[in-house]
Amino acid sequence: DTGVSQNPRHKITKRGQNVTFRCDPISEHNRLYWYRQTLGQGPEFLTYFQNEAQLEKSRLLSDRFSAERPKGSFSTLEIQRTEQGDSAMYLCASSFPGQGKGYTFGSGTRLTVV
Amino acid sequence: GENVEQHPSTLSVQEGDSAVIKCTYSDSASNYFPWYKQELGKGPQLIIDIRSNVGEKKDQRIAVTLNKTAKHFSLHITETQPEDSAVYFCAASINFGNEKLTFGTGTRLTIIP
Repeated sequence: DTGVSQNPRHKITKRGQNVTFRCDPISEHNRLYWYRQTLGQGPEFLTYFQNEAQLEKSRLLSDRFSAERPKGSFSTLEIQRTEQGDSAMYLCASSFPGQGKGYTFGSGTRLTVV
Repeated sequence: GENVEQHPSTLSVQEGDSAVIKCTYSDSASNYFPWYKQELGKGPQLIIDIRSNVGEKKDQRIAVTLNKTAKHFSLHITETQPEDSAVYFCAASINFGNEKLTFGTGTRLTIIP
C-alpha cells in the first residue's frame, strides 16, 4: 500500500483551457473525496464517491467541474474553461468506513491558471 | 452548514514547551473531530481524532479534549520538538469520519530551538 497518489503534482495552464487531475486511492478504500485548498485556508469539500457512485457535491463544484470514478477505483477531476480563481491545491482523500482510521490524503495537485 | 473556527492563526513556542490550539464548531450534530498536520508541499496527515462520546484522548505527546456543551475542542502538544513545526488543522463532521469534513483555517506552529 503506497498511500493515496495524485497526478500531476503541479499543473500550469492558460485561462480557458481544460485540465484533468487523477487520484489513485488506497486500494481497499471504497470512499474517495475531493477537496480544494487555497493559500492560507483549510481544505474545502468538493465531492465524494462511495465506490463508483457520486454521493454528494458541494455548491463550490460549478458546472465547469466534473468528477468521475468509473470503476470504483481511481478518480478524475476535470475543470473546463479554467479561470484564475480556480488556482488552488486540489486534494484527494480516501477512507474505508468501519476501519476507524479516518481519511488518508494525497499530496495534492497544485493548479496555477495564468 | 457547519462552521469551524480555529485560533490562534500562528503560534511560536520554545522547544520543550507545550502548545495548545483551540477550535469551536457550530453544528451540535457534529460528532467526529480530527486534527491534521500539514507540512509544506504535502497533503494533510491525520494525527489524532476524537468522537463525541469521549471527552479526552491521548497519544504519546499529543492529546485532544472535547467539550460538547461549549462546542469546542483543543489540541495539546507537550514537549514540543522542531519536527512539530507545521500547519495544524482541526475539522468536524457528522458521522464517524466518513463524510465531508469542515476544516478550520489552520494554525502555523513554529518551534523555536
